[in-house]
Amino acid sequence: AQKITQTQPGMFVQEKEAVTLDCTYDTSDPSYGLFWYKQPSSGEMIFLIYQGSYDQQNATEGRYSLNFQKARKSANLVISASQLGDSAMYFCAMREGKDSNYQLIWGAGTKLIIKP
Amino acid sequence: DSGVTQTPKHLITATGQRVTLRCSPRSGDLSVYWYQQSLDQGLQFLIQYYNGEERAKGNILERFSAQQFPDLHSELNLSSLELGDSALYFCASSVGDRVYTFGSGTRLTVV
Repeated sequence: AQKITQTQPGMFVQEKEAVTLDCTYDTSDPSYGLFWYKQPSSGEMIFLIYQGSYDQQNATEGRYSLNFQKARKSANLVISASQLGDSAMYFCAMREGKDSNYQLIWGAGTKLIIKP
Repeated sequence: DSGVTQTPKHLITATGQRVTLRCSPRSGDLSVYWYQQSLDQGLQFLIQYYNGEERAKGNILERFSAQQFPDLHSELNLSSLELGDSALYFCASSVGDRVYTFGSGTRLTVV
């Protein structure tokens, strides 16, 4: 079974609009972490935002915020005021494990294209 | 510059050959992870080292091996290469469980 599901293979969004990228996850571990990464066409993997399972508030990093709904096991990324430079692949990932075994499990990604 | 250095950036080699990918983690990070990103499999965890010791194994083929040296740099060895091994190989490093820093990757093409 998929542990991380990103249901939107691709999205087109008008510049300056807000965009929500969906991510649902599946785990029985009470302690976990959720990450969003951006991968532009150049290939590098850029960290955007992190949410811990015990964090009381939704994470925010500049124009990025994470809509964390624990009961629904959802961790959607919201990008406010989108820019042309936001066009990229976006990956949701989950960290499970303990005792320093902290590998990430990845979703299939969403390709976001910002239209001028 | 993320602080994680991967070399080489690009590698083209023939089937059956052996290559070594190198990763220098961010200063102070004890854990090194290797990931493979391919078109058909997506991003997959291969292996993790923590302070020189193997900590976790993912979907790593027997033809692949890795090690982490006393200075904490790591090498991923890929042998008997097949066309299907063509992928982007990422190294990431971390200290703790909240910050994972990725290198820019090594793009391997097997011809």
